[in-house]
Amino acid sequence: DAGVTQSPTHLIKTRGQHVTLRCSPISGHKSVSWYQQVLGQGPQFIFQYYEKEERGRGNFPDRFSARQFPNYSSELNVNALLLGDSALYLCASSSAGGRPTTDTQYFGPGTRLTVL
Amino acid sequence: KQEVTQIPAALSVPEGENLVLNCSFTDSAIYNLQWFRQDPGKGLTSLLLIQSSQREQTSGRLNASLDKSSGRSTLYIAASQPGDSATYLCAVQGGSEKLVFGKGTKLTVNP
Repeated sequence: DAGVTQSPTHLIKTRGQHVTLRCSPISGHKSVSWYQQVLGQGPQFIFQYYEKEERGRGNFPDRFSARQFPNYSSELNVNALLLGDSALYLCASSSAGGRPTTDTQYFGPGTRLTVL
Repeated sequence: KQEVTQIPAALSVPEGENLVLNCSFTDSAIYNLQWFRQDPGKGLTSLLLIQSSQREQTSGRLNASLDKSSGRSTLYIAASQPGDSATYLCAVQGGSEKLVFGKGTKLTVNP
């Protein structure tokens, strides 16, 4: 079975541009979360979606937005890119419904975003 | 606000040594605690998940313990191997699916 997939693998943008990152969860998983990991730091929670509804949002500016589609895949959008947005963006999926779970979350390989 | 701290930030050991990684968290009202492994530039691989009602979990050469009242967890790796070299991340889950991570411990096992 395929795990969590993310695209693209790498991305280079310039300041002020917009970027869209994509994530496909494990088949049967309806919950998707996004995390930002700056070099040398642990991942920071950005969003969580379940059944196309936002169930959680981290401390990120409104330049960050996301959505989930009927097939449970998800997009993370970042507008007006800043140098500080350079990071590894991780997507995770789970079978839980926005609540704490005894099941682990499964992470994708990430998208490496570089902002010049 | 939950904060997770991992000590040490980096650790270098010779092959075959037993080692302990430490994780502490400030809010004991957690649902579970997880240990992840991350290879350079890669995603996260779940190693062990301990529910708040449990004291420890074991998988092969790995053993994780949880003391919720004191806000501490340890990851014990027995007979370390060069293939264990990676960054190990501790994360706690509270009242939602959100995970709060520490900064990780970078482990190097020398042949």
